[in-house]
Amino acid sequence: QSVLTQPPSVSAAPGQKVTISCSGNSSNIGSNYVSWYQQVPGTAPKLLIYDTLKRPSSSGIPDRFSGTKSGTSATLGITGLQAGDEADYYCATWDSSLSTVLFGGGTKLTVL
Amino acid sequence: QVQLVQSGTEVQKPGATVKVSCKASGGTFGGTLRSNDISWVRQAPGQGLEWMGGMMPISGAPNNARKFHGRVTIIADESTVTSYMELRNLKSDDTAVYYCVRRRFTMIRGVTVPYFDYWGQGTLVTVSS
Repeated sequence: QSVLTQPPSVSAAPGQKVTISCSGNSSNIGSNYVSWYQQVPGTAPKLLIYDTLKRPSSSGIPDRFSGTKSGTSATLGITGLQAGDEADYYCATWDSSLSTVLFGGGTKLTVL
Repeated sequence: QVQLVQSGTEVQKPGATVKVSCKASGGTFGGTLRSNDISWVRQAPGQGLEWMGGMMPISGAPNNARKFHGRVTIIADESTVTSYMELRNLKSDDTAVYYCVRRRFTMIRGVTVPYFDYWGQGTLVTVSS
């Protein structure tokens, strides 16, 4: 059971928008930045978002991907869904009480 | 472009020790690539990602996940920019793909918050009698 809670799955049609939530507490998401990772099955994860809302410039992450945070929850948004966005998505952050990196349990995105 | 190249597949028996290597190369936009900047994450079959440990930013002190109860050691060889992850007293539920990752960090209110911008290709470790 992950300390960071994500929905197991989400789905939407091509071209639509989807959001993936990540819920934590005041020791982790509530006080620290959040990062998001995309993992296509059979491959290594890839950084999508860091510092809650920044996209890494070196890897060409499109602005269809966005990150936000409110209180102890963070959200990954994906607009203009494409078939290639089908993957597992993980949130992560630092927990100041546990002094550890936490990952969410992951969310499987299906593009219908 | 940063590259992290890991050693190959391992098959070990319960109670044994495995040592996985990760050699880093390539330029960065933040300064010299250091083996101290490499952390380790694992993923059991069909499961999510799990952080194992690495060196703390700035201090360089080791910081490993408590669940491993001292079974894991992460070593940085600066001369070859290689990180090694050693996991002792292997159990069947240690069967997983082990990833090395380049750890960056941001300071927020005095706390260093890590994130992982480059990932190795993964090393499958199977623990079976």
